[in-house]
Amino acid sequence: DVKVTQSSRYLVKRTGEKVFLECVQDMDHENMFWYRQDPGLGLRLIYFSYDVKMKEKGDIPEGYSVSREKKERFSLILESASTNQTSMYLCASSLSGLSTLLDTQYFGPGTRLTVL
Amino acid sequence: AQTVTQSQPEMSVQEAETVTLSCTYDTSESDYYLFWYKQPPSRQMILVIRQEAYKQQNATENRFSVNFQKAAKSFSLKISDSQLGDAAMYFCAYRSANTGNQFYFGTGTSLTVIP
Repeated sequence: DVKVTQSSRYLVKRTGEKVFLECVQDMDHENMFWYRQDPGLGLRLIYFSYDVKMKEKGDIPEGYSVSREKKERFSLILESASTNQTSMYLCASSLSGLSTLLDTQYFGPGTRLTVL
Repeated sequence: AQTVTQSQPEMSVQEAETVTLSCTYDTSESDYYLFWYKQPPSRQMILVIRQEAYKQQNATENRFSVNFQKAAKSFSLKISDSQLGDAAMYFCAYRSANTGNQFYFGTGTSLTVIP
């Protein structure tokens, strides 16, 4: 059974704190993604990674950074959390390569982050 | 970037009835993949159904089917014999066949099933 796990379901932080959100997948997927989900805005891509130590900016990378030191782990970092980063954060992974394009993304359960 | 539009923020359906969720997308590509995802309340997002653009036949998964109109760039989801467990947020997504790492999502449709 495929699995994507995220380190926390709920997180409360203070403005200015450095925040780490961790994501781990056990499917040997090359691609990993971080989204934020807000009502009425759907899923917006923050960053994605298609290989270890590789990263690409998504649509809303400002205020975030990422780290992928191992294939199975993709971390999202909020260098200095702000109230407008209060949101649901979803991690996902998928296979890469032309033969697997029909394959889906597999999602983690999400982390609901509140920044006070 | 490709744009995926879901024009119905909320929908409701009577239990056992049929409902159709709309999705349109904007792309200049001819080869791509389309997906519908379901996110139940406080639960993980899961795949419902997927379609390859080069296949004319509409995908079907049990009570879920799609109406794929390539020329109109439309990809609607039909849920037949709706059940209480179908209540969820539904997202439409697009994935390019050429630059296939990234998925593009719509803003979602919240489906309520009325007993």
